[in-house]
Amino acid sequence: GAGVSQSPRYKVAKRGQDVALRCDPISGHVSLFWYQQALGQGPEFLTYFQNEAQLDKSGLPSDRFFAERPEGSVSTLKIQRTQQEDSAVYLCASSLAGTSDYNEQFFGPGTRLTVL
Amino acid sequence: TQLLEQSPQFLSIQEGENLTVYCNSSSVFSSLQWYRQEPGEGPVLLVTVVTGGEVKKLKRLTFQFGDARKDSSLHITAAQPGDTGLYLCAGGSWGGKLIFGQGTELSVKP
Repeated sequence: GAGVSQSPRYKVAKRGQDVALRCDPISGHVSLFWYQQALGQGPEFLTYFQNEAQLDKSGLPSDRFFAERPEGSVSTLKIQRTQQEDSAVYLCASSLAGTSDYNEQFFGPGTRLTVL
Repeated sequence: TQLLEQSPQFLSIQEGENLTVYCNSSSVFSSLQWYRQEPGEGPVLLVTVVTGGEVKKLKRLTFQFGDARKDSSLHITAAQPGDTGLYLCAGGSWGGKLIFGQGTELSVKP
């Protein structure tokens, strides 16, 4: 009965380092979303998976951002050569079914990334 | 580009007062969701409205979807300190991704 889990919860990186953020969705959930939330703002969409297929990556801010979900379950968001503007909370959400926007998305607690 | 404007951004009130948060867009959304987020946690869904003019009530919270499905409001009656948090509206979009407003930071003082 576990919810969406994310790890690590906090990550401090030096500018230029690569980071990998992990998301474990609720078991059986088909859809998985990544969002970026800057301090004091609402989350912004990054990318979306349906099973292992990445159907939308229009929100990824640059080619330094890469996401994968190779077996249709766990997903990893990788950021290469981190910059200070990448500092934010990265939220993962999963939902049971496919493309209907009525499906409730269950959010993880997020990973707070700080780039020094 | 679909955008949601949420207001006010900050709201500080006394326990027992009423308040309304607004969410407006120039775009039509097929659904509108309201979330509440606590510090250090992810957003938690409060309600989904899908029909123009729809009104839903959740205890002291009343949610309304505009007739044209471009705007929504959240009204809280007799606010309590436990209502303190970040309230987010989000519009449903293609593929299920959510378009969020900027959020309203509510503080209810005892």
